[in-house]
Formats: sequence, structure tokens, C-alpha cells
Amino acid sequence: ILNVEQSPQSLHVQEGDSTNFTCSFPSSNFYALHWYRWETAKSPEALFVMTLNGDEKKKGRISATLNTKEGYSYLYIKGSQPEDSATYLCAFYAGNNRKLIWGLGTSLAVNP
Amino acid sequence: DSGVTQTPKHLITATGQRVTLRCSPRSGDLSVYWYQQSLDQGLQFLIQYYNGEERAKGNILERFSAQQFPDLHSELNLSSLELGDSALYFCASSVGGTSNEQFFGPGTRLTVL
Repeated sequence: ILNVEQSPQSLHVQEGDSTNFTCSFPSSNFYALHWYRWETAKSPEALFVMTLNGDEKKKGRISATLNTKEGYSYLYIKGSQPEDSATYLCAFYAGNNRKLIWGLGTSLAVNP
Repeated sequence: DSGVTQTPKHLITATGQRVTLRCSPRSGDLSVYWYQQSLDQGLQFLIQYYNGEERAKGNILERFSAQQFPDLHSELNLSSLELGDSALYFCASSVGGTSNEQFFGPGTRLTVL
């Protein structure tokens, strides 16, 4: 059974803090790892799709790294702002499975 | 605005009924995905179509079915509705297959009374 785990489940930080969270996935048959941001009352929005071991991607203050050999990805937010408050989802794609397996997300609340 | 449209936005119906949810993907996207989000649940993948053909199946009940038409829009049919089917149903689209980022529509909120 393919399983994607995200930790922590929730996180409260102060404005200006930097933070990071983890997505763990099976290390076999890796094809791609997706990160999405989901704000309350909106739809999920893609942040990154990562495919190569050692890959690092960045979008503004948000960046992600990927380790396919050990089966984890980190998402970093530098200098958190209240507008970063959202649930961050990762999803794993195994090439032989043809579907994304979604984690339950990390809920981030940034206090002003 | 992701470019993915879903209709209707809200749907209220009774148990035992059948409804159809509609999704139009972004222009040029060949894949359509359907997801269900129930109260306190994560995003549950239901089914994916690619250029008219079923590509992958997730936790889709036998009472549910979907199709993708030649113009690439998709419909999700939910029949013999139960109270537990009340949820937010998202459609997403991508250019190619599952290794491409997905663009989500605004969702259809289904309430079964």
C-alpha cells in the first residue's frame, strides 16, 4: 500500500518566522512529487512538481527540496506572512501506479 | 482563476436521487481529474481521464461514474445518493498525465438531505 505522510499535522508560527514541514513517501518507483497550497474556501493551487533526486525549487519565499532515495521532501517558508496561512499538501506519483497519492496536509497558521 | 470551470457551484438534493457535475478543463489540457473532499477528510482521488479515455481510478464508488467527451469536458454522475455523499467535489486538469501540475476548479458543493 502506497502511503504519503506529512508532518507536522498543524503548525502555528509568528509573522516573520521561518518554518518547514516534511512529506514522506515510498522511495521505490518514484516518478514525481507535487506540492500544493490550499487556502480556506479556495481551491488547491500547485506550488511545485519535482522529479529529480536532489532537486530544489523556489517560488518567492517558498522553496522545496527532494530526496528520492530516502523518500522525503521538505517545504520551507522564509519569513512567514499571514497570507501564507493555508494547508500545504504533497502528493506522490509512482510511475507504475498512474495516480497521485495525496497526504493529509500540514495546516499552517501565521499569527500577525 | 485557474481556467477550470465547474457547474453548478452548489447542489442540494435528496437521498436516492441522481446528479451530474460538470467540468470544463483549461484550454489545451487533456487530463481531467475528479476529487471528493468530505468534512474533516483530505482530498480523495476518484478518477482520471486523459483525452477521452479512463486513465486511473481511485476510491470511486460503483454508484458514481464519469466520462470525458470529445471536446474534453467531463461529467461526474452520482446516483442513489446517500447522506454521506455530501461533500465538495473538485475537478482538476493538467496538460498531460499525472506528472504535470494540476489546476483545480472552484468545486461543486453537494448537499444530500
